[in-house]
Amino acid sequence: AQKITQTQPGMFVQEKEAVTLDCTYDTSDPSYGLFWYKQPSSGEMIFLIYQGSYDQQNATEGRYSLNFQKARKSANLVISASQLGDSAMYFCAMRGQYNYNQGGKLIFGQGTELSVKP
Amino acid sequence: GAVVSQHPSRVICKSGTSVKIECRSLDFQATTMFWYRQFPKQSLMLMATSNEGSKATYEQGVEKDKFLINHASLTLSTLTVTSAHPEDSSFYICSARIGGAFGLRNQPQHFGDGTRLSIL
Repeated sequence: AQKITQTQPGMFVQEKEAVTLDCTYDTSDPSYGLFWYKQPSSGEMIFLIYQGSYDQQNATEGRYSLNFQKARKSANLVISASQLGDSAMYFCAMRGQYNYNQGGKLIFGQGTELSVKP
Repeated sequence: GAVVSQHPSRVICKSGTSVKIECRSLDFQATTMFWYRQFPKQSLMLMATSNEGSKATYEQGVEKDKFLINHASLTLSTLTVTSAHPEDSSFYICSARIGGAFGLRNQPQHFGDGTRLSIL
């Protein structure tokens, strides 16, 4: 069975500081992908970053980076230089190898609500 | 720009009404689409996987007769909430992936903007 766990229901960060959102996962699939999405209060899901299980380097996309520790089964999102517009729900998600037979469906974590203080 | 379009964005209707929500893939063919339901401050719960030209695959606990899914073309999937009641009020959101199951591994799911359904 696959599982994604986000243990921080809510986080606060001061504007311009960095923040780490935690994500741990569990899967028996030999190959998998990890995704982070941002969901503002308006509801749309915005793709942020992807990490493949066999990628040698941690993924980075602008101010977003992923701290991938495969042995610990963690894929934490790091947001540098936080901005007020970063306030939103953040979801970690996983797609396992065998999910490809199901159209590539994602398993989501519970989410973390990030609030950026001015 | 958006690659998945969802309509309508908001619906308010009386109890007993059936409501249809459309999900369209723009500029790509989606043999598979996904329908999620989300309650406030909670995660996305996968309801069903919509397969073009065949029956949808429903997750455990989701009523097939309540939530009808039709995927009649490669760019359109519809979710119909039949005889909706107040407990069906929720945020419904669809997604699709370019390339479907055989797309590039780093290809994310692209989501529509969601539909807020309120049943009075």
